[in-house]
Amino acid sequence: AQTVTQSQPEMSVQEAETVTLSCTYDTSENNYYLFWYKQPPSRQMILVIRQEAYKQQNATENRFSVNFQKAAKSFSLKISDSQLGDTAMYFCAFMKLRGAQKLVFGQGTRLTINP
Amino acid sequence: DGGITQSPKYLFRKEGQNVTLSCEQNLNHDAMYWYRQDPGQGLRLIYYSQIVNDFQKGDIAEGYSVSREKKESFPLTVTSAQKNPTAFYLCASNFGADYGYTFGSGTRLTVV
Repeated sequence: AQTVTQSQPEMSVQEAETVTLSCTYDTSENNYYLFWYKQPPSRQMILVIRQEAYKQQNATENRFSVNFQKAAKSFSLKISDSQLGDTAMYFCAFMKLRGAQKLVFGQGTRLTINP
Repeated sequence: DGGITQSPKYLFRKEGQNVTLSCEQNLNHDAMYWYRQDPGQGLRLIYYSQIVNDFQKGDIAEGYSVSREKKESFPLTVTSAQKNPTAFYLCASNFGADYGYTFGSGTRLTVV
């Protein structure tokens, strides 16, 4: 079974700073997807960024980028020039490609951006 | 607009009562999922369905039941056998792995 671990329950940074959220996972699969989801106070789950395991290039989406280390099974999220609207819970998630496409989530990191 | 609609937004259940949470999607997605969210535990999979008239248990299915009679609908029943049902429930759907899931806005269930 796959597991996803987020070791930082809470983080807090000042507006405009850069912050990195950590995520590690355990799997015997070779082909899979990794995701970061954001859950603001409204509790709506929003996809931030995704990474295909077979791609070596790290994914980027505007101010959001990942550092994907397949051998180390690590998938961190970097938020540059953080904004007050980035305040949210962030979940790392894993999906294998074989069989049912179930998302396995980490425990989440509560990120607060301070003005 | 295409999306997933969950209702009600808030639901209160008395001890020993069954309640049903609604989930409807108009995205033409084949697969649908139910997750439970508790503080500090992330999201845990309750049930999922990859096709109409078929569904499988997730990691925490005890005390829950589902049906998938239509592609658009995947209701979740929280039965009296679920001893600690107070939680936030999220429904999701997807069509292939490429873009992850689309989520509904959730239902907050409280036992009174």
